[in-house]
Amino acid sequence: DTAVSQTPKYLVTQMGNDKSIKCEQNLGHDTMYWYKQDSKKFLKIMFSYNNKELIINETVPNRFSPKSPDKAHLNLHINSLELGDSAVYFCASSQKANTEAFFGQGTRLTVV
Amino acid sequence: AQSVAQPEDQVNVAEGNPLTVKCTYSVSGNPYLFWYVQYPNRGLQFLLKYITGDNLVKGSYGFEAEFNKSQTSFHLKKPSALVSDSALYFCAVFGGGSNYKLTFGKGTLLTVNP
Repeated sequence: DTAVSQTPKYLVTQMGNDKSIKCEQNLGHDTMYWYKQDSKKFLKIMFSYNNKELIINETVPNRFSPKSPDKAHLNLHINSLELGDSAVYFCASSQKANTEAFFGQGTRLTVV
Repeated sequence: AQSVAQPEDQVNVAEGNPLTVKCTYSVSGNPYLFWYVQYPNRGLQFLLKYITGDNLVKGSYGFEAEFNKSQTSFHLKKPSALVSDSALYFCAVFGGGSNYKLTFGKGTLLTVNP
C-alpha cells in the first residue's frame, strides 16, 4: 500500500487551463503539505494543513487553491495556468509539523 | 527566520570511502533537524532526524549524522559509500514558534564512483 499517493504523475496542459492534483495518505497523519520543486531542485513549501485547517500559506498566488475534504486528503487546484507553474509538485504528510514527513512520488506539471 | 545551508552543490566520492554531506542551520530556539534523500524521478525519503539527546543519530541505509550545537551543523555521514547511495540529499530544519514549517536546504548531489 502506498503511504502517500498523488495523481496524476504527469500533467501536460496549455496556458490558461485549470487543473487539479489529488493527494491521499493512509498513514493516519494529522498534517499534510504541498511542496513545489523547481527546475533547480529547490523545494519550497506552498501550503500546510493540520486536521483540515490551513496552517501555512507561503505567499502562493491566489490561482493556487488547496482543499482538504478530510484529514486523509489534500488536493491542489490551479487556475489559469502559466508557464512558470511548470515544476514538480509534491504532497507530503506527517503526524505533527515537527515530525518526519512522508512524500508522494510527485506530479510533474508542464505548461505549454 | 530559519534557514538551512548546504554549501556543496555536489560531492563525489569513491565507492568504499567515507562520505560527508555538510549542513548548517539557523533557527531561534531548539532545532528539529532532518535528512532526506531523493532518487531520480522519485519523492523524498526520510533518512534520519535529530530532536534531542545523543548528538550522533543513526538512520536508514547505514547513514548517520552528528548534531553540533556550537557550530550549528548537522552533517550527514556514512563510513563506506555505495554506488547506490548516489542521489540528491536534502537537509531540513523545523524551528517551531512563528516558523511552524520545515525549511529545506538547496540539496547536495552525491555521486559515488565505482
